[in-house]
Amino acid sequence: DQQVKQNSPSLSVQEGRISILNCDYTNSMFDYFLWYKKYPAEGPTFLISISSIKDKNEDGRFTVFLNKSAKHLSLHIVPSQPGDSAVYFCAASYIGAGSYQLTFGKGTKLSVIP
Amino acid sequence: DTGVSQDPRHKITKRGQNVTFRCDPISEHNRLYWYRQTLGQGPEFLTYFQNEAQLEKSRLLSDRFSAERPKGSFSTLEIQRTEQGDSAMYLCASSPPRVPSPSYTFGSGTRLTVV
Repeated sequence: DQQVKQNSPSLSVQEGRISILNCDYTNSMFDYFLWYKKYPAEGPTFLISISSIKDKNEDGRFTVFLNKSAKHLSLHIVPSQPGDSAVYFCAASYIGAGSYQLTFGKGTKLSVIP
Repeated sequence: DTGVSQDPRHKITKRGQNVTFRCDPISEHNRLYWYRQTLGQGPEFLTYFQNEAQLEKSRLLSDRFSAERPKGSFSTLEIQRTEQGDSAMYLCASSPPRVPSPSYTFGSGTRLTVV
């Protein structure tokens, strides 16, 4: 049973436009959510996170939105740049239970076209 | 300190052989994690250490897998009697103490191919 789902395996966006990556989760105990970016032959790199007590968190060009009632989060990248082309993983954790284990989605491959 | 270091980067082994991977975390990080990633999947949690204590262990970690962190610094992950299904990228990550958010730093991984 996949608790974190990224239903779009790939996404193509023109440079300068908005990229929206989506993620759904099923476990209502999750209280912390993260996005990681991964380039080929490298480990995932932390991008941005959000606690379940918030519904939005911004960091530069990256904004994460959380809709707890829908168990849905999204990552917005504005404006998209060619260097943003990578695989993006959504991850969730239940740190309220003292666990630092992350449950990842399968990832979405973003291609930003110049 | 240049980040989380994993060795080797690649390992090809014959089925049935034992393999051992090493992870050197960021020096001030007391938490260390092992994940496994197969093609088309996200990383899957294997195990977690706080200092030298192994505090969480996934049911994915069969009895052929063992992880250690003997002095609370580097860690090793050993796979005994490797099977083709063990072929994957093995990722190590670390995080500092007293940080509530689990935003780890990952290493570049060890890619294991079992032939």
